[in-house]
Amino acid sequence: DSGVTQTPKHLITATGQRVTLRCSPRSGDLSVYWYQQSLDQGLQFLIHYYNGEERAKGNILERFSAQQFPDLHSELNLSSLELGDSALYFCASSVVEGAGAEAFFGQGTRLTVV
Amino acid sequence: AQSVAQPEDQVNVAEGNPLTVKCTYSVSGNPYLFWYVQYPNRGLQFLLKYITGDNLVKGSYGFEAEFNKSQTSFHLKKPSALVSDSALYFCAVRPKTGANNLFFGTGTRLTVIP
Repeated sequence: DSGVTQTPKHLITATGQRVTLRCSPRSGDLSVYWYQQSLDQGLQFLIHYYNGEERAKGNILERFSAQQFPDLHSELNLSSLELGDSALYFCASSVVEGAGAEAFFGQGTRLTVV
Repeated sequence: AQSVAQPEDQVNVAEGNPLTVKCTYSVSGNPYLFWYVQYPNRGLQFLLKYITGDNLVKGSYGFEAEFNKSQTSFHLKKPSALVSDSALYFCAVRPKTGANNLFFGTGTRLTVIP
């Protein structure tokens, strides 16, 4: 158990809908990263928050947004969903921002868009 | 731009034999280097990392990796493979300056044959 909690584990929704994925980082970790894992794209970095502030954006679509709350949990919002958004979404946390600190991953949320 | 290459999609090895999973990278400067393992329906688990110092680093479950600066490689090794080592292995890099997120390779599926 990495200590990173993601909910829900599975989500099935229809095209055009909006969903929210939730991540609770390890206790004391200030950095939260979101990744998307799909068969054809591999692991793609989406966005990074540190202590409530957005630090970096990767290959995140405009239909997607995220935030990190004062209690350090984070939410990833996906809207106007398309079939191609079906993927495994991971949250990872680390105690510091970057450097040599390893990131600890949650078990992921499997999103299926039908 | 940063990139990580895992040239083998699949590696098969007999139980008890040594295993190697290859990784090369292209990052400006000397990056931080990581290996993660993913079991079915699970998140990524941290195995080991190279920050500085000794080129041979030891990690969890008997795995080790050798950093080779001249070849920009960070191959994962284990002297004697177990069936339970069968999983998907990801190499990742984080530059020492600039982006704080991890950049992942496409993964190598290791199958240990009994």
